[in-house]
Amino acid sequence: DPKIIQKPKYLVAVTGSEKILICEQYLGHNAMYWYRQSAKKPLEFMFSYSYQKLMDNQTASSRFQPQSSKKNHLDLQITALKPDDSATYFCASSQEGQANSDYTFGSGTRLLVI
Amino acid sequence: AQSVTQPDARVTVSEGASLQLRCKYSYSATPYLFWYVQYPRQGLQLLLKYYSGDPVVQGVNSFEAEFSKSNSSFHLQKASVHWSDSAVYFCALSDSNYQLIWGSGTKLIIKP
Repeated sequence: DPKIIQKPKYLVAVTGSEKILICEQYLGHNAMYWYRQSAKKPLEFMFSYSYQKLMDNQTASSRFQPQSSKKNHLDLQITALKPDDSATYFCASSQEGQANSDYTFGSGTRLLVI
Repeated sequence: AQSVTQPDARVTVSEGASLQLRCKYSYSATPYLFWYVQYPRQGLQLLLKYYSGDPVVQGVNSFEAEFSKSNSSFHLQKASVHWSDSAVYFCALSDSNYQLIWGSGTKLIIKP
């Protein structure tokens, strides 16, 4: 059974539209993350949340907004989509406060903006 | 500053040959170090991790890595690669905030 669920797997969006990427983890972890992967950047850290609070934001654009409605959810809302936003977005989780805690990744949402 | 460097963007080896993927780190204290693998169209999966003890760490699928404090390295090795090892491999370091600092990845290509 997948321990981190990302929905949808594939997403095609029109330029200027808004989409929400879903992430749920069933590992009991208290920290969740969003990463982006594209041809330009192999693995780009975006956000980290701990106990549903934003800990770190490395995303320059306010068009990207994480949303945590439950402690095991961290969705990513993207507004005013641009073709440059096309990428695979990965959600991950870990047990925060433990340096040797490894990350578990979801299988990603592949976003194509046309 | 903390950093992880994977100097080889791409490595090609023949099936059955041995493999070494290089990882160099910069960190003031003893680091927690990780290797992750990403198979095509999948998320990243943990291969192995190191903090202390034996500098040679065993991982899944017969991978191992050797920590060297003097060289600030954590190279990944495998004695005999299989075509199914074709993937992108990421080295990472856990910083003082317990967040991972990632290398840029090395794409491994296996020749038949």
